Amino acid sequence: DQQVKQNSPSLSVQEGRISILNCDYTNSMFDYFLWYKKYPAEGPTFLISISSIKDKNEDGRFTVFLNKSAKHLSLHIVPSQPGDSAVYFCAASDDYGQNFVFGPGTRLSVLP
Amino acid sequence: DAGVIQSPRHEVTEMGQEVTLRCKPISGHNSLFWYRQTMMRGLELLIYFNNNVPIDDSGMPEDRFSAKMPNASFSTLKIQPSEPRDSAVYFCASSATSGGADEQFFGPGTRLTVL
Repeated sequence: DQQVKQNSPSLSVQEGRISILNCDYTNSMFDYFLWYKKYPAEGPTFLISISSIKDKNEDGRFTVFLNKSAKHLSLHIVPSQPGDSAVYFCAASDDYGQNFVFGPGTRLSVLP
Repeated sequence: DAGVIQSPRHEVTEMGQEVTLRCKPISGHNSLFWYRQTMMRGLELLIYFNNNVPIDDSGMPEDRFSAKMPNASFSTLKIQPSEPRDSAVYFCASSATSGGADEQFFGPGTRLTVL
């Protein structure tokens, strides 16, 4: 049973427009949520995170929104750039960091 | 800092052979993680260590897989005997805190091909 789901395996967006990547989770014990970006032939790199006491966290072009009642979070990239083309993983963790899970990833393609 | 170092970057071996993957975490980090990435299953956590002690190995597929962390600066993931279905990219990651709630720093991965 997947505790963290990213239901869109891929997404294509025009350069300059907004990219919205979605993530759903089932475990109500998750309190921390992280997004990682992965380029081909490289390891994932941390992008942005949010704790359950917040509903929004922003870092430059990247904003993560958390709807805890719906067990849903999303990553917004505005404006999207070709260099943002990568696989994005959503990850969730409980408060102690002992139970943490990665989603299957969404491949984002930003078209010039 | 050089980041998380993994070796080898690529490994091609024949079915039945022993494979050892190596990882050097970032100095001072308390937690170390081994992941496997495949097209079918995405990024799977195999095992993680905290202060060199295995905390959760529930993701290790079967007894053919074993992992050790003899000291804070070195870990190995061993597959014996290897099978074609073990072909995947294996990542090692480390974190400054315990568990997965904080940022993990990933190595470049080892691409394993078992023929």
